[in-house]
Amino acid sequence: GESVGLHLPTLSVQEGDNSIINCAYSNSASDYFIWYKQESGKGPQFIIDIRSNMDKRQGQRVTVLLNKTVKHLSLQIAATQPGDSAVYFCAENIRQAGTALIFGKGTTLSVSS
Amino acid sequence: GAVVSQHPSWVICKSGTSVKIECRSLDFQATTMFWYRQFPKQSLMLMATSNEGSKATYEQGVEKDKFLINHASLTLSTLTVTSAHPEDSSFYICSARDLYMGGRNEQFFGPGTRLTVL
Repeated sequence: GESVGLHLPTLSVQEGDNSIINCAYSNSASDYFIWYKQESGKGPQFIIDIRSNMDKRQGQRVTVLLNKTVKHLSLQIAATQPGDSAVYFCAENIRQAGTALIFGKGTTLSVSS
Repeated sequence: GAVVSQHPSWVICKSGTSVKIECRSLDFQATTMFWYRQFPKQSLMLMATSNEGSKATYEQGVEKDKFLINHASLTLSTLTVTSAHPEDSSFYICSARDLYMGGRNEQFFGPGTRLTVL
């Protein structure tokens, strides 16, 4: 994994390792956050979301952690597989405002077998 | 889940011509559709928000006369790049918000359209 709070544009891991991807969001009023996976030449694919009244949410092999104090979001992928190789983006918005999602900088995850 | 399609998936055109990109929600109604642009190795940047039956709201720096958006029905929004130039070459992605998802505000993304202007 990588240091919490540090955004890296690329992350290389071995198959089977756990991956941690970080994101700093910009708007303290945001109350809804989503992680997306984007493969080359394709649109974003929903992975997992979390609302601001939670600080952790788990899915299948993925966990999202939210730290509102420092406006930080992380995505943990357990037992990373080659098929997880893609660019990962976090996105934020103010849910009830119905506004567009604002995307953060992406992280390219490369998984080697 | 809900499906959003885009057509065409890729297009190559000459400089100065106009190109229309369609975004359709296939199995749900979308009161709101969003258009994003993504340059290579960069994030998605919001261009405009399109509400059915009304004028689109453009983000700062996006020329509304160059990027014409029409959202005439609850299942279709179009983006027309007028007088396209090579710097307009990009990956254009739309998303649609399901009218009946209530407060969840979930957006569904299309597969994107690759525009190359020669």
